[in-house]
Amino acid sequence: AQKITQTQPGMFVQEKEAVTLDCTYDTSDQSYGLFWYKQPSSGEMIFLIYQGSYDEQNATEGRYSLNFQKARKSANLVISASQLGDSAMYFCAMFRPRSARQLTFGSGTQLTVLP
Amino acid sequence: SQTIHQWPATLVQPVGSPLSLECTVEGTSNPNLYWYRQAAGRGLQLLFYSVGIGQISSEVPQNLSASRPQDRQFILSSKKLLLSDSGFYLCAWRGGAGSSYEQYFGPGTRLTVT
Repeated sequence: AQKITQTQPGMFVQEKEAVTLDCTYDTSDQSYGLFWYKQPSSGEMIFLIYQGSYDEQNATEGRYSLNFQKARKSANLVISASQLGDSAMYFCAMFRPRSARQLTFGSGTQLTVLP
Repeated sequence: SQTIHQWPATLVQPVGSPLSLECTVEGTSNPNLYWYRQAAGRGLQLLFYSVGIGQISSEVPQNLSASRPQDRQFILSSKKLLLSDSGFYLCAWRGGAGSSYEQYFGPGTRLTVT
């Protein structure tokens, strides 16, 4: 069974600094995908970044990058140059290739950016 | 571009009353559709998913049901609500076979059962 673990319930970062949000996963599949979503206080889930298990390079999307370490089964999200608008809940998720590709979510990390 | 709608945005219902939440997607055909529930301060729990009209898969046994009467319409229902049904309900879609893997979420419905 797939499992996603986010061990940081809350994180604080100073504006303009970088922050890393941790995510570890457990799966017996060879082919899988890892996602990060942002959930601001409004509640909507916003897709940020995707990493496939066979991708050789770490995914990047603007200020977001995914530090993928397959042997360690970790997929940490790095946000560079934090902004006040980055304050939100962040969820790591993994897709299940055999079941209509629905996602298994971690418990989330609440990030607060300090001015 | 694709858009996903959910309504109502908020709902307060008494225990034992019926429920109907609606989700519609625009700008795509034959999407996979999903219903999730999020309890306060928690992650998302998948409730139902659908790969086509009339095709519903349930992940968690409960007093909720889902239907997909049209290609881009997904409905979550209950005949009698329980207090434990309170939460934030999110609908999501992704493309069918051959599409990218990420799911896109609607704005959600906050349900409070009193």
